[in-house]
Amino acid sequence: EAGVAQSPRYKIIEKRQSVAFWCNPISGHATLYWYQQILGQGPKLLIQFQNNGVVDDSQLPKDRFSAERLKGVDSTLKIQPAKLEDSAVYLCASSLVGTGLAYEQYFGPGTRLTVT
Amino acid sequence: LAKTTQPISMDSYEGQEVNITCSHNNIATNDYITWYQQFPSQGPRFIIQGYKTKVTNEVASLFIPADRKSSTLSLPRVSLSDTAVYYCLVLGNQGGKLIFGQGTELSVKP
Repeated sequence: EAGVAQSPRYKIIEKRQSVAFWCNPISGHATLYWYQQILGQGPKLLIQFQNNGVVDDSQLPKDRFSAERLKGVDSTLKIQPAKLEDSAVYLCASSLVGTGLAYEQYFGPGTRLTVT
Repeated sequence: LAKTTQPISMDSYEGQEVNITCSHNNIATNDYITWYQQFPSQGPRFIIQGYKTKVTNEVASLFIPADRKSSTLSLPRVSLSDTAVYYCLVLGNQGGKLIFGQGTELSVKP
């Protein structure tokens, strides 16, 4: 079974530039998550989709971050404009829905963003 | 959501058993205890989950006392490849938001 795919793996940009990350979840997983992980900290949820609808975006800085999930499959996360403090690893994860138990989330390898 | 507390770091040697304890004093009746493992430059990976008593899989064992206010992840006979950060989380039986703490950085030495 193919895992969660993310691209690019690394990105270096200057502050005030824009950047976009792409995620392809595991086939059949209805729920998709984007996390931000700053060095030395645990991942922090930015946004959660179920199919193509947003379930939770309470921690997404909406003045500069946006995300979409077209047709309930792939997703993109965009930052515009980037700030120095956005330097982090951006992780995408997906999970099944409807198992009735705490859902196991499957994570991709992440995109390491450096803002200079 | 229940907050968890776990040691920031632990050291061990190859072949030893490692026990990482997590405190979750305000765990709710419907909460499950879940552990994730994260290797450098990779995303976290689910390793084990339990509700009470003991759960064992091919990777680890999870011990949960009757009051469920703490849990212990046990890694038998660790190897260098077990060097990673281990996160303890609690979440409800309908899934939902994973709130990661700082985790426990386990370093296994030869």
